[in-house]
Amino acid sequence: QSALTQPASVSGSPGQSITISCTGTSSDIGSYNLVSWYQQYPGKAPKFMLYEGSKRPSGVSNRFSGSKSGNTASLTISGLQAEDEADYYCCSYAGSNTWVFGGGTKLTVL
Amino acid sequence: EVQLVESGGGLVQPGRSLRLSCAASGFTFNDYAMQWVRQAPGKGLEWVSGISWNSYSIAYADSVKGRFTISRDNAKNSLYLQMDSLRPDDTALYYCAKDSSSGGNGFDYWGQGTLVTVSS
Repeated sequence: QSALTQPASVSGSPGQSITISCTGTSSDIGSYNLVSWYQQYPGKAPKFMLYEGSKRPSGVSNRFSGSKSGNTASLTISGLQAEDEADYYCCSYAGSNTWVFGGGTKLTVL
Repeated sequence: EVQLVESGGGLVQPGRSLRLSCAASGFTFNDYAMQWVRQAPGKGLEWVSGISWNSYSIAYADSVKGRFTISRDNAKNSLYLQMDSLRPDDTALYYCAKDSSSGGNGFDYWGQGTLVTVSS
């Protein structure tokens, strides 16, 4: 049950696009199409942003998109806005009803 | 409106026990698996434990296996986490989370968390 690997921080200017990677193993991301992404503001609970790697729950902006290739999933935010500044976490099913999160990525909007 | 309200956190000495509760409302509780996720101060999210809608399937993170016990009472719309043999590294904000309505992939609603501090 090792945490998925995310970059500690990423940054971008308003209007730009950024991508956050999430690297796992063949036992989690590589074996299941069950990656989800969460946005968390300081002092707040996480918010569900994407599931099954690329699907958006109702109400989530279409500026958020996701993909997966092999053992790595990615979250892309296009048209970056100041309100996107937050921490982002990936999560993958890891078999036997267990889940594993990434270490989190702090997004700074310059 | 879906609501998840955790309670039961507090300051506890190492080796002691604590029981967390999560009161659910706004959805059909017994239709969904539920999870506990924790976040140590200034750190990332860590999945702790999960339980299926009928309690038949239960799983734990290696870090808590043998010390924590998850349970639920569908009649009371409540989720629980019994935490025994607590250690300082169990100090965290504990969230309960509902499995997503989209086929149980991910967690679509979270409570605000209850803080557990393990210290002498």
